[in-house]
Amino acid sequence: QKEVEQNSGPLSVPEGAIASLNCTYSDRGSQSFFWYRQYSGKSPELIMFIYSNGDKEDGRFTAQLNKASQYVSLLIRDSQPSDSATYLCAVKEGSARQLTFGSGTQLTVLP
Amino acid sequence: DVKVTQSSRYLVKRTGEKVFLECVQDMDHENMFWYRQDPGLGLRLIYFSYDVKMKEKGDIPEGYSVSREKKERFSLILESASTNQTSMYLCASSSPAGGRGYTFGSGTRLTVV
Repeated sequence: QKEVEQNSGPLSVPEGAIASLNCTYSDRGSQSFFWYRQYSGKSPELIMFIYSNGDKEDGRFTAQLNKASQYVSLLIRDSQPSDSATYLCAVKEGSARQLTFGSGTQLTVLP
Repeated sequence: DVKVTQSSRYLVKRTGEKVFLECVQDMDHENMFWYRQDPGLGLRLIYFSYDVKMKEKGDIPEGYSVSREKKERFSLILESASTNQTSMYLCASSSPAGGRGYTFGSGTRLTVV
């Protein structure tokens, strides 16, 4: 059974701080990694994807991947109250069509 | 941008009814998926399809069936709705390699009474 584990939280950070969200996965054949943001009552929306070891930056978001440790993280710099949401980590094994999702981490950014 | 449209935002059905949830995407994606999302259980894959008339079971197919007669449309069918099928249902689509992940529809919140 392929597993994707996230700390469920809730995680609270003050406005302007760095929020760090973590995800581990069990399948060493995983090739693609995704972070989705889901506001309460809404559907998930893709914010980042990463394929290679190292960091990938997009605005205030940085995804970090370490395949040797089977670990992927999302950093949100200068956190804003509008970043308050549940963040879902998803993993795709190389030949699979479907993603495997973690259960999500609830983030609250306090004004 | 890919658009994935789910026909209903909220549905209330009675136990034993046959329920159809419809999903349409407009970007010619081969892959389409149905998930349900419940508090504490995350997203669970019910069925997916990689081509017209092709389907594969996900992790929790029991009590559900699907239909894909046209590439752009993927339907989820609850043959005889039960209260434990009350949930948020999410449709998604992706390109064949799935390299850019899914695009989700806005979801259907189904209540079975």
